[in-house]
Amino acid sequence: DGGITQSPKYLFRKEGQNVTLSCEQNLNHDAMYWYRQDPGQGLRLIYYSQIVNDFQKGDIAEGYSVSREKKESFPLTVTSAQKNPTAFYLCASSMTSGRVYEQYFGPGTRLTVT
Amino acid sequence: KQEVTQIPAALSVPEGENLVLNCSFTDSAIYNLQWFRQDPGKGLTSLLLIQSSQREQTSGRLNASLDKSSGRSTLYIAASQPGDSATYLCAVSSNAGNMLTFGGGTRLMVKP
Repeated sequence: DGGITQSPKYLFRKEGQNVTLSCEQNLNHDAMYWYRQDPGQGLRLIYYSQIVNDFQKGDIAEGYSVSREKKESFPLTVTSAQKNPTAFYLCASSMTSGRVYEQYFGPGTRLTVT
Repeated sequence: KQEVTQIPAALSVPEGENLVLNCSFTDSAIYNLQWFRQDPGKGLTSLLLIQSSQREQTSGRLNASLDKSSGRSTLYIAASQPGDSATYLCAVSSNAGNMLTFGGGTRLMVKP
């Protein structure tokens, strides 16, 4: 069963703590992405990676870090430097060859920081 | 910088009605445009993808059109059903790297 998994579904942390969100895909996609969604708003790109061991900042990368050691995995760390970390985080993946780069999304992780 | 706007922000219609959701973007140099559906608290489900060279795509009761020159796309839903109630998001990619810029979404409610 191909798809994207994100864990956990809900995550609670105290202010000042770093937290890592998991994203795994078995679609054999080269590219992976992290987005943030705030209530009633569209998605904003945090980081993306088009190949293993390489990644680029998106529009709102401050306070976040990522790694891409394996093609299947793209974990996101929300650091204590992120001023407003409470949000819904979505991971996505896509092919990078050919012309059509349809993005597929995981179920999301809702992070609450108090 | 690309900006994507969706109007209306919310829409409520009776079951069976045909409806149109609108999406506009400021930079017409797009690579493709994607329409998504999002149910409350869930991830996004891709509905339709239109490449920049295409004018429209159809899937079942859904039809999406693209007018690059005017920076507009519409999602047409025929014979709406209560199960269509969700938030609909459009997103454009402006380069081959496929970074998507999203609109704010239209929250649709179809009443029985």
